[in-house]
Amino acid sequence: KNQVEQSPQSLIILEGKNCTLQCNYTVSPFSNLRWYKQDTGRGPVSLTIMTFSENTKSNGRYTATLDADTKQSSLHITASQLSDSASYICVVSVGDSNYQLIWGAGTKLIIKP
Amino acid sequence: DAGVIQSPRHEVTEMGQEVTLRCKPISGHNSLFWYRQTMMRGLELLIYFNNNVPIDDSGMPEDRFSAKMPNASFSTLKIQPSEPRDSAVYFCASSLRGGKSSYNEQFFGPGTRLTVL
Repeated sequence: KNQVEQSPQSLIILEGKNCTLQCNYTVSPFSNLRWYKQDTGRGPVSLTIMTFSENTKSNGRYTATLDADTKQSSLHITASQLSDSASYICVVSVGDSNYQLIWGAGTKLIIKP
Repeated sequence: DAGVIQSPRHEVTEMGQEVTLRCKPISGHNSLFWYRQTMMRGLELLIYFNNNVPIDDSGMPEDRFSAKMPNASFSTLKIQPSEPRDSAVYFCASSLRGGKSSYNEQFFGPGTRLTVL
């Protein structure tokens, strides 16, 4: 069964600190892995998209890694800001489909001043 | 571009009433998706249109749900009759299939928060 599991479920850190969110997946055939940020009351916004051959990709203070062998990904946030408070969702695309996405449950991140 | 536009942003209705949610995708996008998000189940794909044609509606919960896309710039999701368990946030997303990027990135609207009493 295609699944995406994320950890932790929630995380509270102080402003300025770094953090890493984890994603494990069992999706076949794998096409790409995406990280989305969802602010409260808004739709998800794409942060990064990585294919099988990419093992790291950055978007500002966000750096995603992908290990296709172990089927694990992480999202590292550097020097956190209050605006980073949101849910971060790991999503894996199935095969060549452009719409079959397996969504994780998300990690709720709270940044405290 | 204004992004994906959804209306209404909030809807409160009574059980048994008809509810219609509206979506305007990003101009030039040829794929449109309707999702439902709840705390218990997360994000679920309800239906996917490509070039205004429904391709996959296997996520539509039951016959009470229907979706249409009469043209490239407008789609509706209708629930008739509504039930309390339909309470959720409904998102519309659009993408460009076959564009320069092979990722077919989906762009989401702000969502409609539906409460059925």
